[in-house]
Parts: sequence; structure tokens; C-alpha cells
Amino acid sequence: SQQGEEDPQALSIQEGENATMNCSYKTSINNLQWYRQNSGRGLVHLILIRSNEREKHSGRLRVTLDTSKKSSSLLITASRAADTASYFCATERTGNQFYFGTGTSLTVIP
Amino acid sequence: KAGVTQTPRYLIKTRGQQVTLSCSPISGHRSVSWYQQTPGQGLQFLFEYFSETQRNKGNFPGRFSGRQFSNSRSEMNVSTLELGDSALYLCASSPRTGTAYEQYFGPGTRLTVT
Repeated sequence: SQQGEEDPQALSIQEGENATMNCSYKTSINNLQWYRQNSGRGLVHLILIRSNEREKHSGRLRVTLDTSKKSSSLLITASRAADTASYFCATERTGNQFYFGTGTSLTVIP
Repeated sequence: KAGVTQTPRYLIKTRGQQVTLSCSPISGHRSVSWYQQTPGQGLQFLFEYFSETQRNKGNFPGRFSGRQFSNSRSEMNVSTLELGDSALYLCASSPRTGTAYEQYFGPGTRLTVT
């Protein structure tokens, strides 16, 4: 079974707008990571946030983590057409297994 | 450094056959994980190898197996293929140092079972 659930499943925005996607998980975690996947290809690591962190930034990406609500959000600011991809959250629990969510499909319209 | 490579990239097999997929991790990475990705089930963890030992295993039948060699290259094998095994198989390597580590994914092997 999957650990994470992303919301929304699909998102379509205009270039320049911000995109926000959410991830909820079920059990306690060591850290949470976000990955991007372009159509049918491998995943690319975007950002890692540890369980004792609340917010992290990397370029146009901002990730928040609320362990009390077991949720995380990924914000992409000033989106570009090249950001069109599927985005997955992955949680790592004790035992070093990664559990991936179902993904959010983001389409950025030029 | 060269990225994670997977061979072959595409494969077509018939039911009942077996298949072996190969993964070469990033130089220096000792951990290799395998995932199955399908539209219905998403990304599911198959197993992880570290220093030639299987350290974690997902909830897949025994038809799915793997191994890791001394140079960290890994192979996974699926025996008695079923139609439901059609998927993108992704390999990921990691240095696995410290308390948190990211995974580096290969481009995947697209397996079609007919």
C-alpha cells in the first residue's frame, strides 16, 4: 500500500502563476522528499525536508511539513512551461523504505 | 559523474517467460533500490540492496527477485511473467550515508508483457 497521497491529482495553471500541491501520509516519518517525473522517465529529486524541519526553500520551490497533521505541501512559484511534469512525495520511515504517493500531474500553459 | 543507467530501455516479453533487468548505479553509491510503476498502483517499492545484501523488500511475490554484485551493479529478475507485470521498472541508487539521503533514478525499463 502507498504511504502518501497527493492532492490534487491534476493541476493546470498559466505560466507565471504559482502551483501548490499537497501530500498526506499515514505514519510517522524520518523525512519527506519531493520528486519530479517528466513523462515516462525517471524521477528527479527536488528537495528533502527532515521530520524536525517545518519549511525549506530551494530556488523557486518551497516545501512545508506539518508532522502533527501528517502533511506536506510543495509550492512552485512563477511557474514555467518546463515545470510541466508529475510530482511525487516520498516518505521515509524507519527501515529506510521509501513510500511514494500517487502523484500530482502539473500542466503549465505557456 | 555518470548517472544511473538501466538496460534495456524497452522490452517485450510473452506470458510465462522470464526477464532480467540491469541497473548500474552512480559511482560510489552502494545502495540500489528497485521500483515498479504502473498507472493503477503508482510507484511501488520492490527491494533494496546494499553491499550485495538485500536490506528491504516490498510486498511482491517471490517471482520478483534481485541481486547486487560487488561493483554495486544490480539485476532484477521476474520469472513466469504475467500480463500485470507490464510496467516501468525504475532503479535508484543512493550513497546511503547519514540519516537522510536522496535517491537518484535511472530512466527506467519499460516492460510490456503480451
